[in-house]
Amino acid sequence: EDQVTQSPEALRLQEGESSSLNCSYTVSGLRGLFWYRQDPGKGPEFLFTLYSAGEEKEKERLKATLTKKESFLHITAPKPEDSATYLCAVQEEYGQNFVFGPGTRLSVLP
Amino acid sequence: GAGVSQSPRYKVAKRGQDVALRCDPISGHVSLFWYQQALGQGPEFLTYFQNEAQLDKSGLPSDRFFAERPEGSVSTLKIQRTQQEDSAVYLCASSVGGDGYTFGSGTRLTVV
Repeated sequence: EDQVTQSPEALRLQEGESSSLNCSYTVSGLRGLFWYRQDPGKGPEFLFTLYSAGEEKEKERLKATLTKKESFLHITAPKPEDSATYLCAVQEEYGQNFVFGPGTRLSVLP
Repeated sequence: GAGVSQSPRYKVAKRGQDVALRCDPISGHVSLFWYQQALGQGPEFLTYFQNEAQLDKSGLPSDRFFAERPEGSVSTLKIQRTQQEDSAVYLCASSVGGDGYTFGSGTRLTVV
């Protein structure tokens, strides 16, 4: 059975304090690993898709990396507007649905 | 429309009442998903449509849950005889295919 865990559960950073969020996964065959951002009262907003180990993608202050067992979301010099819950999800090679992790709740203090 | 629209945004139901939640996907999007998100948790898969065909309903928690998409566009998730454990946010997502999934803002269902 596919499984996704995320750590830490919650993270508080000072503005400008870089850090990383972890997503560990178990899947029989990986089609893609997805990162989403979710603000309170809203649906998840797509950030990145990673397909194979070694792949990296960047967007503004965020960089996502992938290995065979985990993915990291690196946040460089975060700003208060980066505060949100970050969700990781995997999609099986021959499936359609996503299996989501529980998320990391990030707070960036000014 | 520009995004995935879900209605109502909030629904309070008395235990035992039937509810219907609506999803208007982005025009032309073939794939449509329903997810259930409990407070503080990640979304959990309920069901998947490709056009009007329901290809996967393995995530529906009981036979009280039913989803349809009769014309391959708007979808409705129906919950019969609601129970307190059904309280959650119900999210809809759509895609043209590939990996570009867009989520709606969800319907928050509270069963009292």
